[in-house]
Amino acid sequence: EAGVVQSPRYKIIEKKQPVAFWCNPISGHNTLYWYLQNLGQGPELLIRYENEEAVDDSQLPKDRFSAERLKGVDSTLKIQPAELGDSAVYLCASSLAEKETQYFGPGTRLLVL
Amino acid sequence: AQRVTQPEKLLSVFKGAPVELKCNYSYSGSPELFWYVQYSRQRLQLLLRHISRESIKGFTADLNKGETSFHLKKPFAQEEDSAMYYCATRAGMPSGSARQLTFGSGTQLTVLP
Repeated sequence: EAGVVQSPRYKIIEKKQPVAFWCNPISGHNTLYWYLQNLGQGPELLIRYENEEAVDDSQLPKDRFSAERLKGVDSTLKIQPAELGDSAVYLCASSLAEKETQYFGPGTRLLVL
Repeated sequence: AQRVTQPEKLLSVFKGAPVELKCNYSYSGSPELFWYVQYSRQRLQLLLRHISRESIKGFTADLNKGETSFHLKKPFAQEEDSAMYYCATRAGMPSGSARQLTFGSGTQLTVLP
């Protein structure tokens, strides 16, 4: 079992450019989470999916961030346009259900220049 | 709003010494408390949760509702315990509040030989 898979692992872009992150959850996990982790801080939830439905996106900055989970499996998180302050690690996690243990991916480290 | 405080960014102890990583939370009601760990070059993973009342890798954590604390303890630290530790809280059931995990900012534990 590979666990939660994320790609790319690292991304360097210039500000105002778009960027996308991809997440493949553990097979059978209905709940998928995207977290933002700034340097020296703990992860902060951006959005939670139950199957293909976004059930908690209150922390997602919707002016520049968007996410989708087509067919309730893989998910993509997009930033357009990126800003310098978006430099961080973006973590994806999945769980069988909302109350169950969350399993984290390795994260995507984004650097915006 | 839920808040988790880990007052120590860095903590160093010698091998064989007792270790305590502090965690205080602010939340009304009966939250669920967790400790997550991230070893070097590995992904974030669940260490233990208060409802399980179990010992994992020699670590225990007791929920003290009076002091709103959930400190992580181990009587004899090992070098392999060196890692980043995050305390997290989530609203308990039933709850009308958001059920998202709220993480503290983490404590980097170094166990010296």
